[in-house]
Amino acid sequence: GAGVSQSPSNKVTEKGKDVELRCDPISGHTALYWYRQSLGQGLEFLIYFQGNSAPDKSGLPSDRFSAERTGGSVSTLTIQRTQQEDSAVYLCASSFSARARDRAQYFGPGTRLTVL
Amino acid sequence: QQQVKQSPQSLIVQKGGISIINCAYENTAFDYFPWYQQFPGKGPALLIAIRPDVSEKKEGRFTISFNKSAKQFSLHIMDSQPGDSATYFCAASPGRGSTLGRLYFGRGTQLTVWP
Repeated sequence: GAGVSQSPSNKVTEKGKDVELRCDPISGHTALYWYRQSLGQGLEFLIYFQGNSAPDKSGLPSDRFSAERTGGSVSTLTIQRTQQEDSAVYLCASSFSARARDRAQYFGPGTRLTVL
Repeated sequence: QQQVKQSPQSLIVQKGGISIINCAYENTAFDYFPWYQQFPGKGPALLIAIRPDVSEKKEGRFTISFNKSAKQFSLHIMDSQPGDSATYFCAASPGRGSTLGRLYFGRGTQLTVWP
C-alpha cells in the first residue's frame, strides 16, 4: 500500500511568516511522529500522536511550534513566526502502535523548510 | 545529552568488504533497536530491527549484533556494494514511560563503498 506522504516537499518562506506542513500516515497506523533533521542537530524528535491525542509534546522547541491530528489520520505541523534556525527537513513517521512489540516506524520523504 | 552514541562518523570500505557500524546506549528502558538507511534527499528507510531478547538478527547481507550486558549493538553489512553508499542511523526506543515509542537516534555514519 501507499507509504507516508508529506507536503509540500519544499517550502521557502520569509522570516516571521507562518508555515503549515502536512503528513498523511500509512492507513491503519495509530501512532504518528514528527522529527526534525538538521546538520547540526541530527534527527530530533518533536511530537508523538496516539490517535488524535498527543501524549508526548516534549520535543517541540518553542511555543511557536504546534501540531494537530484529526480523524486519527492526517497531521499538520504549524510553525508560527518562523526564524532562520527553523530551517531543516521536517520528517513524519507512522507506526501501527507505539506499544506494539514490533513498533517499526516508517518515514515519509520529508519537507525541506528554508527560512530566508 | 546524546542517548545513543554511534561510531564511526564516516566509513570507507572496498566493494565486497564488510562494513561495521557501532552504537551504544545507557537507558535500560530501551527495548527496540532499529537501523535506518538514508540516501540524499530521501527520508530514512527502515533496514532491520532487533529486540534485546535475541543476540543477533540477519536479513540478507545485513546483520545486527546485540550485547545487552554491554548496552551495545552493531550493524554488519556483508559483501558491501557501491549501492550501499548512504548514511546509516542506529536508533533506540523505550517500551515504557513518558517517552514511549519515541526514537532516539545516533548521529549517523556516512558509508562510502568504493567499486
